[in-house]
Amino acid sequence: DSGVTQTPKHLITATGQRVTLRCSPRSGDLSVYWYQQSLDQGLQFLIQYYNGEERAKGNILERFSAQQFPDLHSELNLSSLELGDSALYFCASSVEGSSTADTQYFGPGTRLTVL
Amino acid sequence: QKEVEQDPGPLSVPEGAIVSLNCTYSNSAFQYFMWYRQYSRKGPELLMYTYSSGNKEDGRFTAQVDKSSKYISLFIRDSQPSDSATYLCAMSATSGSARQLTFGSGTQLTVLP
Repeated sequence: DSGVTQTPKHLITATGQRVTLRCSPRSGDLSVYWYQQSLDQGLQFLIQYYNGEERAKGNILERFSAQQFPDLHSELNLSSLELGDSALYFCASSVEGSSTADTQYFGPGTRLTVL
Repeated sequence: QKEVEQDPGPLSVPEGAIVSLNCTYSNSAFQYFMWYRQYSRKGPELLMYTYSSGNKEDGRFTAQVDKSSKYISLFIRDSQPSDSATYLCAMSATSGSARQLTFGSGTQLTVLP
């Protein structure tokens, strides 16, 4: 158990809908990262937040957004869902987001299925 | 061309075998190299972490980094059925105040009893 929690475990929804994925980092970790894992693209970095502020953006679509709240939990919002958004979404956390030496710990993921 | 290339396998070996997993990369800015293990339907779990070139050993696992060749390896000695999983290499560069991991596509390993 990494200490990172994600809810829900599974989500099934329809095209065009909007969903929210939630992540609670390990106690004491200030950075939260979101990744998408699909069969054809592998594990891809989406976005990073550090202590409530956006720190880095990767291959995140404009239909997707995220935020980190004062209690450090984070939410990833996916809107206007398409079939191709079906994937595993992982959250990871680390102690300090500005050091390249810190370790990222991954949560169990949320499996999103868009029908 | 992807920044990180990893042979997807699948790789099947008998119990007790030595396993070699490899990744190549193109971005010379990568300085931190990691190996994650991912069991089916679970999140990636960090196995090994190395900085720059060199070797690092932890129990049955050895990670090697050769920055001159842009090549990293993970060796598993005395492989066990419990080692059956997908192994992902990951890398990061010094990028100021932000860090993100770039992953290989993963190698699926099965260790047969």
